[in-house]
Amino acid sequence: EIVLTQSPGTLSLSPGGRATLSCRASQTVTNRYLSWYQQKPGQAPRLLIYGASNRENGIPDRFSGSGSGTDFTLTISRLEPEDFAVYYCQQYGSSPPTFGGGTKVEIK
Amino acid sequence: QVQLQQSGPGLVKPSQTLSLTCAISGDSLSSNGVAWNWIRQSPSRGLEWLGRTYYRSKWYNDYAVSVKSRITVNADTSKNQFSLQLNSVTPEDTAVYYCVRGNRNTFDYWGQGTLVTVSS
Repeated sequence: EIVLTQSPGTLSLSPGGRATLSCRASQTVTNRYLSWYQQKPGQAPRLLIYGASNRENGIPDRFSGSGSGTDFTLTISRLEPEDFAVYYCQQYGSSPPTFGGGTKVEIK
Repeated sequence: QVQLQQSGPGLVKPSQTLSLTCAISGDSLSSNGVAWNWIRQSPSRGLEWLGRTYYRSKWYNDYAVSVKSRITVNADTSKNQFSLQLNSVTPEDTAVYYCVRGNRNTFDYWGQGTLVTVSS
């Protein structure tokens, strides 16, 4: 199965700052089937990005995804207070679907 | 708007069977191109995909190797819901369990989550 490694584990930033989150796969993710989710305490994960760079309906354009092959990035251009959360990447290119361990974006 | 409503007990004794149900509104269990999944989350294992059911002229199931001998995912078209059964549970199966729609090669709609604790 494909192992996804996210870095850094924790990102400490100020509101208005720029967040760059990395997700590295142990093998090529077929067709760029890589998604990003946001999770807040006590809530289910929420889909932000699918197909590496497609923003889900209703997701603000400050969230963007890029990458291909084994290296993917989620960028939050200007952090809003509601963006402080844990972010997960997930691949659907090979079975079984797998998730990364998460990056926590916290207020500095 | 798709909504997934989970139900089932939050406490299961070791060696017994964990059973959860997910009722779907806003979509059909038999929709083409869609799969209905169970995913769990625990501090020790993170987010872990367990299995799915889907309809492509007939019903199919896929299961994670880690639970393949213990899991069943069933579809009930009369109630537009699907279920999870996990047999012979141990404390390591303690987790928050989610039912999730798979579509466009992603997981786009999630249930509210059910914390299931395995303890005597």
